[in-house]
Amino acid sequence: GQQLNQSPQSMFIQEGEDVSMNCTSSSIFNTWLWYKQDPGEGPVLLIALYKAGELTSNGRLTAQFGITRKDSFLNISASIPSDVGIYFCFMEYGNKLVFGAGTILRVKS
Amino acid sequence: EAGVAQSPRYKIIEKRQSVAFWCNPISGHATLYWYQQILGQGPKLLIQFQNNGVVDDSQLPKDRFSAERLKGVDSTLKIQPAKLEDSAVYLCASSRGRAVNNEQFFGPGTRLTVL
Repeated sequence: GQQLNQSPQSMFIQEGEDVSMNCTSSSIFNTWLWYKQDPGEGPVLLIALYKAGELTSNGRLTAQFGITRKDSFLNISASIPSDVGIYFCFMEYGNKLVFGAGTILRVKS
Repeated sequence: EAGVAQSPRYKIIEKRQSVAFWCNPISGHATLYWYQQILGQGPKLLIQFQNNGVVDDSQLPKDRFSAERLKGVDSTLKIQPAKLEDSAVYLCASSRGRAVNNEQFFGPGTRLTVL
């Protein structure tokens, strides 16, 4: 099945630092979505990307759809304690819906 | 607008027993999904319904798992008999249409422990 590789697997950063994570695939996609999961909750959609090269912001979050259509980056600026959670990339491959393994973010205040 | 409701929130059973989970999606959402999330992994799609028809159930272990969506609204997911490796969080989600073009809204999940 299609694999989505997320890196890093986990991050432990100081409050106020910027964060960067990415998701890569061996296949080309037309859409990249980023979700965040808080402990004990279901994932929540953060950002959706629909065009190669697209750069989209949502508050302190910025995501980019790679020009090759095989990768995507998510950046968080000036991290705060509530940014703690697991960040997943997600897309549709054929008719299959696939989540990456996630990047765990921990923030030291 | 009320979110996706799931019950129970927690369930502990012994292997070879049966268990059922219930999901009530957001009103008006045609598409419903069941995901299995094993600790440390991303959610894995088990089955996707469009109204009361199955769109994809290719990753559903059909020898022990079954799901139905009566009248295109509520859905139940059943495991019979359960195995140790079924221990996971079972997430239900719904959306107005296809997941890549419509936001999926997730319920809080049911945490299943199989002893």
